[in-house]
Amino acid sequence: GENVEQHPSTLSVQEGDSAVIKCTYSDSASNYFPWYKQELGKRPQLIIDIRSNVGEKKDQRIAVTLNKTAKHFSLHITETQPEDSAVYFCAASGGDYKLSFGAGTTVTVRA
Amino acid sequence: EAGVVQSPRYKIIEKKQPVAFWCNPISGHNTLYWYRQNLGQGPELLIRYENEEAVDDSQLPKDRFSAERLKGVDSTLKIQPAELGDSAVYLCASSPLKGEQFFGPGTRLTVL
Repeated sequence: GENVEQHPSTLSVQEGDSAVIKCTYSDSASNYFPWYKQELGKRPQLIIDIRSNVGEKKDQRIAVTLNKTAKHFSLHITETQPEDSAVYFCAASGGDYKLSFGAGTTVTVRA
Repeated sequence: EAGVVQSPRYKIIEKKQPVAFWCNPISGHNTLYWYRQNLGQGPELLIRYENEEAVDDSQLPKDRFSAERLKGVDSTLKIQPAELGDSAVYLCASSPLKGEQFFGPGTRLTVL
C-alpha cells in the first residue's frame, strides 16, 4: 500500500515568515495529493490539493509543489499569521481516492 | 449546506463493552469513509462505502469491528468488545464520487 512520510513533525516560525512542510510517497501510481489543516479538537479541513498533471498550485498565501519523479510534494505558507497555527496533514491517493495520510506537522506561529 | 454530522462527540466506556458511532454524510455524497485517528497521528482508513456497498474494508479489524450503511445514506460503526487500544478519534468523511473528502467532527472514544 501507499506510505506517506511527512517532515518536520513540529515547526515554529515567527509571524510573517514562511513555513514549508515536505512529504514523500511510495506509490508511483498516486495522482491526487491533498493537504488538510486540523485545529485542536476540530475536524480536518482541506486547504489545497494538487493532481499529478500539474507541478504547482497556489491559493493566496498557500502553495503546493509536486515532483512526481522524486515522489515528493511540499506545502508552502507565506506571511504566516497566528491563525495558521494548527496541525497540517499531507495525503496521497490513486484513482480510487483512498487517502493515505502523513503523521502530521504541528505548526506554531509566534507573534 | 450542512456538513458531515457525527454522534456522539465523546464516549467513555469500560473495556469489553460495546460501542457504536453514527454518521450522517453530506446530502448527495455517494461515498462514505470511516477513519481512526490515534493521538499525534494522521487518520487511517477503516472502511469505504460507495452507496451501500463496502468497497474497501481491508483495514477494518473484522473480529471486533463492524459497519453498515443500509440505505446508502447514514452509517454506523460498531466495536464489540472494545479494548484499551481502541481509544482514538473516529472520523467519518463523505465525498461525491471521486471528489474532495469532507470530514465530520469525530467521536472521541476513551476505553478504560
